[in-house]
Amino acid sequence: SQQGEEDPQALSIQEGENATMNCSYKTSINNLQWYRQNSGRGLVHLILIRSNEREKHSGRLRVTLDTSKKSSSLLITASRAADTASYFCATAPPSGSARQLTFGSGTQLTVLP
Amino acid sequence: ETGVTQSPTHLIKTRGQQVTLRCSSQSGHNTVSWYQQALGQGPQFIFQYYREEENGRGNFPPRFSGLQFPNYSSELNVNALELDDSALYLCAQRGDGTDTQYFGPGTRLTVL
Repeated sequence: SQQGEEDPQALSIQEGENATMNCSYKTSINNLQWYRQNSGRGLVHLILIRSNEREKHSGRLRVTLDTSKKSSSLLITASRAADTASYFCATAPPSGSARQLTFGSGTQLTVLP
Repeated sequence: ETGVTQSPTHLIKTRGQQVTLRCSSQSGHNTVSWYQQALGQGPQFIFQYYREEENGRGNFPPRFSGLQFPNYSSELNVNALELDDSALYLCAQRGDGTDTQYFGPGTRLTVL
């Protein structure tokens, strides 16, 4: 079953604009990760934020985490056509060695040139 | 590029057949997980292997089985294929003490 939901399901913006995607989840987590997937291929890890962190930056990416609301957001600044892809949030459970990721259903981002 | 490879890239099978998918390993990545991604959905966790032992399993029936080899490469086997098994199968690896998973490009399985 899916842990959470991304919102919106689809987003279309112009090149240079910022894109914001939201993720909600249901259970306690150790960390939350964001991945990008191009055209049904493999997932590329973008950024990881731990449950005791509130905000993290990596290049043009900014991730926030609110554990009280069980939600996260991914901001991509100054978007480029190459950012067109599906974006998934994934949560890792707080305990256990398996640390399997539970993914949301994804946001399809289209950046128009 | 994550350095994780999977084979084959695409595969077509008929209902009732069996299939084996393969995943290479990067040096130091001794944990491998397999995920199933149906069209338009997020990946779903199938199972995980650590040092050749299964140490976690998602909500998949026993006809989904796996192996991890001493060199940490891995196989996913699916018996008695059903139409709903049509999906992208992803292998992911991580090293000890890390949470970042490195995904392969996937194998697209079509069951007719």
